[in-house]
Amino acid sequence: EAGVTQFPSHSVIEKGQTVTLRCDPISGHDNLYWYRRVMGKEIKFLLHFVKESKQDESGMPNNRFLAERTGGTYSTLKVQPAELEDSGVYFCASSQLAGGPNEQFFGPGTRLTVL
Amino acid sequence: AQSVTQPDIHITVSEGASLELRCNYSYGATPYLFWYVQSPGQGLQLLLKYFSGDTLVQGIKGFEAEFKRSQSSFNLRKPSVHWSDAAEYFCAAASGGYQKVTFGTGTKLQVIP
Repeated sequence: EAGVTQFPSHSVIEKGQTVTLRCDPISGHDNLYWYRRVMGKEIKFLLHFVKESKQDESGMPNNRFLAERTGGTYSTLKVQPAELEDSGVYFCASSQLAGGPNEQFFGPGTRLTVL
Repeated sequence: AQSVTQPDIHITVSEGASLELRCNYSYGATPYLFWYVQSPGQGLQLLLKYFSGDTLVQGIKGFEAEFKRSQSSFNLRKPSVHWSDAAEYFCAAASGGYQKVTFGTGTKLQVIP
């Protein structure tokens, strides 16, 4: 079974540009999460989808970040326009919806560098 | 506010020595607890988890963790460290089965020959 995949693995952009990160969860996982780790700090929650609906987006830093999950499958996270402080590693995770507490499976992350 | 604390940013141990990584949590009720490991260039891999029951939890790669409610701790241990254990370790917690995970700042483990 394929794990959570993320694309690209690394992105380098200039301040003011737009970047779109993609996450493909494990097939059949209705829960999808985005997290971010800024250099030297802890991994922080950004938002949580249940299927195509945003369940919790309390961690989104500002309106320059837009997450979508059309059709309840893969998700994209767009940063527009990117700022220097957006640099970091963006992780995606997925889990099953049913059956009690479930482990979140994490992808390898996308390292975003904003110059 | 909910938080997870890993007091050690960096730990160095000799290969074959025992290891204990510390983790404390602050939650309103006992959360679900996890330890993840991230090797260079890799994603986060779950080592073990505690939901309820036996407070000594066995995980993969020979790791175990003990939940101590009185100390709000969930320390990770391994009796004999291997060079391949060099990585960054994250303690994490969640208040429910589908809730967001709160991470500690991570502990980088260096293993010397």
